[in-house]
Amino acid sequence: ILNVEQSPQSLHVQEGDSTNFTCSFPSSNFYALHWYRWETAKSPEALFVMTLNGDEKKKGRISATLNTKEGYSYLYIKGSQPEDSATYLCAFIRVQTGANNLFFGTGTRLTVIP
Amino acid sequence: KAGVTQTPRYLIKTRGQQVTLSCSPISGHRSVSWYQQTPGQGLQFLFEYFSETQRNKGNFPGRFSGRQFSNSRSEMNVSTLELGDSALYLCASSLVTSGRSVYNEQFFGPGTRLTVL
Repeated sequence: ILNVEQSPQSLHVQEGDSTNFTCSFPSSNFYALHWYRWETAKSPEALFVMTLNGDEKKKGRISATLNTKEGYSYLYIKGSQPEDSATYLCAFIRVQTGANNLFFGTGTRLTVIP
Repeated sequence: KAGVTQTPRYLIKTRGQQVTLSCSPISGHRSVSWYQQTPGQGLQFLFEYFSETQRNKGNFPGRFSGRQFSNSRSEMNVSTLELGDSALYLCASSLVTSGRSVYNEQFFGPGTRLTVL
């Protein structure tokens, strides 16, 4: 069983606060790491696909970094807004299992309080 | 461009029955993956189909099976339902180039919520 861990499990922040959370994954046989945002009653939506050690990706106020040697990725949200409230999932892909076999963490549930 | 669609959205079955779920990928996407989410668990990979062939399989019993048609639509079947099969089943499609999906993100459907009584 491959362990992908996300922390914290849940988080409440005030509107305007910046926040970050962690995804930990096995550092061996790394292929790619995906980040998804899953809003209640909607489908998970891809945020980033990260492949190289040291990768940094940014989309608006959200950014992510990747460290494949130590097996972690951080997701940052700057100036959180209520519409950022969602569960953020990371998914690890291992070389042997192919590009579409994603091992998901259980997610970080973010609530932004207006 | 239409998104990934799944039917039905909700389903109630009893133990021992079987069920078939359907997924239509985004036009042009040839890879379809299926996931199960149960309370407290992350999304668990069931299997992936590409060009009508199962390309990857997760750690689920043989009661879970699937297939893909020439138009890339996919079905998932669960036979002899158990209470523990109650879950949200998501399918996702991705664009495949040159026979393998290289770092492509997955586009998820809305899911089918299955309840087994």
